[in-house]
Amino acid sequence: ELKVEQNPLFLSMQEGKNYTIYCNYSTTSDRLYWYRQDPGKSLESLFVLLSNGAVKQEGRLMASLDTKARLSTLHITAAVHDLSATYFCAVDASSSGTYKYIFGTGTRLKVLA
Amino acid sequence: ETGVTQSPTHLIKTRGQQVTLRCSSQSGHNTVSWYQQALGQGPQFIFQYYREEENGRGNFPPRFSGLQFPNYSSELNVNALELDDSALYLCASSLEGWTGAFFGQGTRLTVV
Repeated sequence: ELKVEQNPLFLSMQEGKNYTIYCNYSTTSDRLYWYRQDPGKSLESLFVLLSNGAVKQEGRLMASLDTKARLSTLHITAAVHDLSATYFCAVDASSSGTYKYIFGTGTRLKVLA
Repeated sequence: ETGVTQSPTHLIKTRGQQVTLRCSSQSGHNTVSWYQQALGQGPQFIFQYYREEENGRGNFPPRFSGLQFPNYSSELNVNALELDDSALYLCASSLEGWTGAFFGQGTRLTVV
C-alpha cells in the first residue's frame, strides 16, 4: 500500500529564514499535490505537480517533484508569519478507475515574528 | 472558492446515533469522493462515487455508506457512531478523467 511520509512533522522558524519540507512516497506516481490547511479550515490547493522534474513557484513557496526518487519538496523562502499553517502533500494513487489521493502526515509550520 | 459546498458545517452527535452529511459538487463534476480527517492527521480516503455508483472504497467499515444523486450531489451516512468517528469530513469533486479534486469546506463532526 502506498505510504506518504512528510518531514518534519513540526517546524518552528524565524521570520526571514528559509526551510524545506520533504515528502517521500513509497510507490510510483507521477502526480503530486501540495495543500495548505489553516486551523479548523479545509484544504487550499497550492501546487499541482504532474511530471518528473516539475517545479512550481508562488510567492515565497516553491515545490518540486522527483518521481524517480519518489520525493517532493516544498521550499519556503524568507518566511513570514502569514505562512503559519499545516502543509500536506498528497500523492495521486488512482487505479482501476478510482481516483484518490494518499495524504502525508502533514507539517505544522509556525513562523515566529 | 472551489464551488464544492458541504452541510452542515458543524454537528454534534451521541455515540450510537446515525448521521448524514451532504455535499454539493462543483458544476459539471460527476465524481465525488469523501475523506475523513482526524485531528492532527492527514485526510483518509473513505470512498468515491461516479454516476451514482460506488467506485472505490478505502479501509472503512460498512457502517460508512454513501449515495450520489442524478445531479451529482452526494451524501455520507455513518451508522452506529463511535467516539473515533469525530473528525473533519471533506468532500471532493472532480471531472470524469481525473483532473484533480476540489475540496469543500468540510463538516466538523463531534461524537460525544
